Amino acid sequence: GAGVSQSPRYKVAKRGQDVALRCDPISGHVSLFWYQQALGQGPEFLTYFQNEAQLDKSGLPSDRFFAERPEGSVSTLKIQRTQQEDSAVYLCASSLAGVNQPQHFGDGTRLSIL
Amino acid sequence: TQLLEQSPQFLSIQEGENLTVYCNSSSVFSSLQWYRQEPGEGPVLLVTVVTGGEVKKLKRLTFQFGDARKDSSLHITAAQPGDTGLYLCAGTGNQFYFGTGTSLTVIP
Repeated sequence: GAGVSQSPRYKVAKRGQDVALRCDPISGHVSLFWYQQALGQGPEFLTYFQNEAQLDKSGLPSDRFFAERPEGSVSTLKIQRTQQEDSAVYLCASSLAGVNQPQHFGDGTRLSIL
Repeated sequence: TQLLEQSPQFLSIQEGENLTVYCNSSSVFSSLQWYRQEPGEGPVLLVTVVTGGEVKKLKRLTFQFGDARKDSSLHITAAQPGDTGLYLCAGTGNQFYFGTGTSLTVIP
């Protein structure tokens, strides 16, 4: 497809389980971003890749959160030992290059931790 | 931490009314973008403003970037139910910062 694709759309997990969220960016987009969004609020930055390099991970809330983009295309956001406060929508976006280019968003993964 | 504060947080108006949403910060941004997000979907870019004082129009929507590049506003004329959604400003600096969001409901 032409847009950013995220999977799964919905994920329910029990507290303590590990989860992995996938993002397929637009082909040719160098930059990839992950955000966390609470209901009715603006997205909060988590991390940013340029190709396979993770240039900024300052927004990751704890060391339970880990993101990778090994071949500079598909990215995975992993959350270990999930907790209830991890429940949110996780958005992925891609841009041609850098933070100054418009970002194109996927529809997000809604994560619910029971 | 979100550097961009939007006001109002919630807005419910009748179809045909005008409205303005504000996006304010103490930081200077090299550019500022406005997005609209509908439930269950990702934000969709509406406009990018780059120059201080810049005004852009998109049909019934008018966007302005403050002279000092610290704030912006979005004005909607004759709102329609299809304008309902979460409006987000986002500033570009070393990172990409989203505003706190304004949830708009236009009642038919």
